[in-house]
Amino acid sequence: QVQLQESGPGLVKPSQTLSLTCTVSGGSISGGSYYWSWIRQPAGKGLEWIGRFYTSGTTNYNPSLKSRVTISVHTSKNQFSLNLSSVTAADTAVYYCARAGHQGLDWYFDLWGRGTLVTVSS
Amino acid sequence: QSVLTQPPSVSGAPGQRVTISCTGSSSNIGAGYDVHWYQQFPGTAPKLLIYGNSNRPSGVPDRFSGSKSGTSASLAITGLQAEDEADYYCQSYDSSLSGWVFGGGTKLTVL
Repeated sequence: QVQLQESGPGLVKPSQTLSLTCTVSGGSISGGSYYWSWIRQPAGKGLEWIGRFYTSGTTNYNPSLKSRVTISVHTSKNQFSLNLSSVTAADTAVYYCARAGHQGLDWYFDLWGRGTLVTVSS
Repeated sequence: QSVLTQPPSVSGAPGQRVTISCTGSSSNIGAGYDVHWYQQFPGTAPKLLIYGNSNRPSGVPDRFSGSKSGTSASLAITGLQAEDEADYYCQSYDSSLSGWVFGGGTKLTVL
């Protein structure tokens, strides 16, 4: 079955760029009708949607992070990545990649990676 | 401050019924967008529990049910079991933000 796995540095210095990759296994990232997303969760807090891309190539970002976020797709590697620039301690969180399926026009996250903790500290 | 509002915590004794509310506004739940629910155990990723307001994915016990009315939605758990102790999150779409939004999460404690 399809599985997602996040990877990347666990420690990033303030003002630098956080870069993570999500590898999709057991299925094609460009197949089907799905959104592929990044979601984060600071310790002890709730979930925050970061952004998404659709298999057609369309990308959308959370307005609160839009100026700092880029999501890229690497179809040949069946991966998608997250770049978050100018990080601060407030960006310390567990970062999840997730797949969104849909029923009609509404989308929900039916598949999640295990998450990876990224700490922003000097 | 989350766009969708959930109570921080709820509790119930084994066998009882508990409900978790998720309150939104006219730009999300009230606009007709569906509500979805996730269950999260400590140290693990969230898991889809209810989609499209009231649908259960395969494998989710029918003790879990969802409903939606107006600008709010609810998750009900009947026959509460110790293994239900977890955090629960609601999620929907917000047209003013043009993106997906989550509730702040509710911690369920089984007494």
